[in-house]
Amino acid sequence: NAGVTQTPKFRILKIGQSMTLQCAQDMNHNYMYWYRQDPGMGLKLIYYSVGAGITDKGEVPNGYNVSRSTTEDFPLRLELAAPSQTSVYFCASRASGQNTGELFFGEGSRLTVL
Amino acid sequence: GNSVTQMEGPVTLSEEAFLTINCTYTATGYPSLFWYVQYPGEGLQLLLKATKADDKGSNKGFEATYRKETTSFHLEKGSVQVSDSAVYFCALPKTSYDKVIFGPGTSLSVIP
Repeated sequence: NAGVTQTPKFRILKIGQSMTLQCAQDMNHNYMYWYRQDPGMGLKLIYYSVGAGITDKGEVPNGYNVSRSTTEDFPLRLELAAPSQTSVYFCASRASGQNTGELFFGEGSRLTVL
Repeated sequence: GNSVTQMEGPVTLSEEAFLTINCTYTATGYPSLFWYVQYPGEGLQLLLKATKADDKGSNKGFEATYRKETTSFHLEKGSVQVSDSAVYFCALPKTSYDKVIFGPGTSLSVIP
């Protein structure tokens, strides 16, 4: 059972480059999330989706875009990479319904912007 | 919206020592509360949860009790092991279950 799969695991970008972090889940979860984790800062929500075709901003959406064309996939796009986007990115998913707040996380994608 | 405060780390303990990591929250109503753990190089995973006031969540020797009087959900373990070295996050829904917010995390190192 794969769960939540993120690719790539590591990436180095130059300032101004673009890239897409891929996230796929095989649990038929409606809810999917992108967080970034900076040292000592916990997790900050970038974008989230409550189902295919529906996305919404989190706490720190600037510089990112998302799409949700299928239930399984939730890619995160960085259009013009900046050093401030150096971070570890986590994708997560969860089932619908009340009191099912358990999130399932991918292993993370470490991005460095130089 | 709801919020969570968690004790600062890092915490260093000797093997078999008692562990407490404090977590307090501000919330409307009584949302579910969670503790997540992140082992080195991995993503977060749910450690335990409590879905209503006075509930006790437990897993792998860890416990936390949902205390509405003190708005707390402290994580405890009676005897830590080296394998418990990780970062621990307290979490709860922000307003609805659409979004989950996390505390800053507490890094625990257990030395033999």
